[in-house]
Amino acid sequence: QQPVQSPQAVILREGEDAVINCSSSKALYSVHWYRQKHGEAPVFLMILLKGGEQKGHDKISASFNEKKQQSSLYLTASQLSYSGTYFCGTPSGSGYALNFGKGTSLLVTP
Amino acid sequence: GAGVSQSPSNKVTEKGKDVELRCDPISGHTALYWYRQRLGQGLEFLIYFQGNSAPDKSGLPSDRFSAERTGESVSTLTIQRTQQEDSAVYLCASSLGGQGFTEAFFGQGTRLTVV
Repeated sequence: QQPVQSPQAVILREGEDAVINCSSSKALYSVHWYRQKHGEAPVFLMILLKGGEQKGHDKISASFNEKKQQSSLYLTASQLSYSGTYFCGTPSGSGYALNFGKGTSLLVTP
Repeated sequence: GAGVSQSPSNKVTEKGKDVELRCDPISGHTALYWYRQRLGQGLEFLIYFQGNSAPDKSGLPSDRFSAERTGESVSTLTIQRTQQEDSAVYLCASSLGGQGFTEAFFGQGTRLTVV
């Protein structure tokens, strides 16, 4: 039930754009995105809810295709501070915890 | 406190010994979670507590793992007879409601090394 993320890793130059994808084999009512910098705790970015509601980061956007059970995270005009590992999470069977993907490592270079 | 606090930050133990990891959630957060993160891997769900409800233990990998939580406060994750494959960072998170619905705040983790 672990969601699948792609790509596994991406390297960007500052100012370039990136898309990180997350897909699930089961129907979803929400998708969650977190970012973890090296040696630090994961930090919440956003939640996308069924029906189109989003809560979260004002400089990172995302989409949620309920029918395809997919979500994409859009990082535009990337900044050095965007570097880190991005995890998508989907509700577990109980709905109260999250199953996370293996992560996408993003490195933004000057 | 201001955030989720975990202790110790690092723990080295000998194979076969028991260890206890502690988590202090954000005050007022009813939900608390434990995750395991092996080197270079994702976050593996272990256990979830919500208020006074029975915990969701479905992620615990073996009966050597157990966790307790007193009310809506501190939680302790215990690993008995540690094995080398238990080496990982153990992360605790808390949230106002179920994580499936709202953001969770993670602690800095406890890095466990079994030698």
